[in-house]
Amino acid sequence: AQTVTQSQPEMSVQEAETVTLSCTYDTSESDYYLFWYKQPPSRQMILVIRQEAYKQQNATENRFSVNFQKAAKSFSLKISDSQLGDAAMYFCAYRFRYGGATNKLIFGTGTLLAVQP
Amino acid sequence: GAGVSQSPRYKVAKRGQDVALRCDPISGHVSLFWYQQALGQGPEFLTYFQNEAQLDKSGLPSDRFFAERPEGSVSTLKIQRTQQEDSAVYLCASSRGGSGTGKSDTQYFGPGTRLTVL
Repeated sequence: AQTVTQSQPEMSVQEAETVTLSCTYDTSESDYYLFWYKQPPSRQMILVIRQEAYKQQNATENRFSVNFQKAAKSFSLKISDSQLGDAAMYFCAYRFRYGGATNKLIFGTGTLLAVQP
Repeated sequence: GAGVSQSPRYKVAKRGQDVALRCDPISGHVSLFWYQQALGQGPEFLTYFQNEAQLDKSGLPSDRFFAERPEGSVSTLKIQRTQQEDSAVYLCASSRGGSGTGKSDTQYFGPGTRLTVL
């Protein structure tokens, strides 16, 4: 079974600085998707960035980028120029590309990011 | 509406009561998911609908949990004879396409229903 592990329950970063959140996963599949979702306090979960496992190039979205290491099964999120609005719980998630009957997401336990002014 | 909506936002139930949680997905979205998020944990998959068909219910924890989407739009998650361990946030998500296409359709999440069982 696929599992997703986030080993950093909490992280803190100064405003305007850079922070990296870690995620590892375990799967026997070769074709899958990886995601980072952001869940602000009492607000809806939103997609931050996605990575296709069959693409070697790391995904980027403005200040957010990933370091995808397929052989190591590692998928970290880098947030540059951190802003107060980045404070949230961040979840790493996995999805098998051809999910059969479902495209369910498998989530890690999350990393709570605090941004200090 | 523009996004996924869920109601009620908060629900307090006495142990043994039945509850019904509603999800309104984004209009036209084929896929609908229910997840359960316990305090301090990541969401865990409960069940999946493609239109009105429930294609995967492997995550439902017991036969007290039942979900339906009769017309392929609004979905209801029902929990019978609630127990304290059912206390959690129940998230609904929808995506444009169906399963098996290989596409990375974004799942859009609702705000969740926080269920507290006393």
